[in-house]
Amino acid sequence: QKEVEQNSGPLSVPEGAIASLNCTYSDRGSQSFFWYRQYSGKSPELIMFIYSNGDKEDGRFTAQLNKASQYVSLLIRDSQPSDSATYLCAVRSGGGADGLTFGKGTHLIIQP
Amino acid sequence: DTGVSQNPRHKITKRGQNVTFRCDPISEHNRLYWYRQTLGQGPEFLTYFQNEAQLEKSRLLSDRFSAERPKGSFSTLEIQRTEQGDSAMYLCASSDGGGFETQYFGPGTRLLVL
Repeated sequence: QKEVEQNSGPLSVPEGAIASLNCTYSDRGSQSFFWYRQYSGKSPELIMFIYSNGDKEDGRFTAQLNKASQYVSLLIRDSQPSDSATYLCAVRSGGGADGLTFGKGTHLIIQP
Repeated sequence: DTGVSQNPRHKITKRGQNVTFRCDPISEHNRLYWYRQTLGQGPEFLTYFQNEAQLEKSRLLSDRFSAERPKGSFSTLEIQRTEQGDSAMYLCASSDGGGFETQYFGPGTRLLVL
């Protein structure tokens, strides 16, 4: 059973601070890792993807991957109230199954 | 707008009725995915198509569910004899199937079974 675990939160962060979101996964054969943002009542929106160990930066967002620890994280710098949403971690295995396995999401609240 | 589109956006039906949803992927995306999301949960994979071929089905996809993509473009998801437990957001995503493919989601169809 492939599992993706996230702390459901809510995670409350002051405006302008760094928000740190974490995710662990059970399938060691996983090869692709994604972060989606989902506003209430809306569909998931792709924020970042990462495939290799280390950090990947895109604007205010940094994704970090550690395959040995089976751990993925997302850092949001200079957090804005508009970043308040649920952040979904998704994992794609390398075993020919192409559907993504999602965590339950972390609810992030940026306090003005 | 050339994003993924889904219709209808909302559907209310009575238990036992059949419903059908449609998804139009991003133009030229050859892969199309269906997911289901319930409140407080992440999306759960149901099935996916590469062109017109249905290549994978989750065990979540009971016999009452059927999906088609007859010409490799739009797809339909039908639920027969709906049950209250089918109430959920049904999400469609598409990708170009490249080596590092990313999936882009449509707005979803919210189903309520009374």
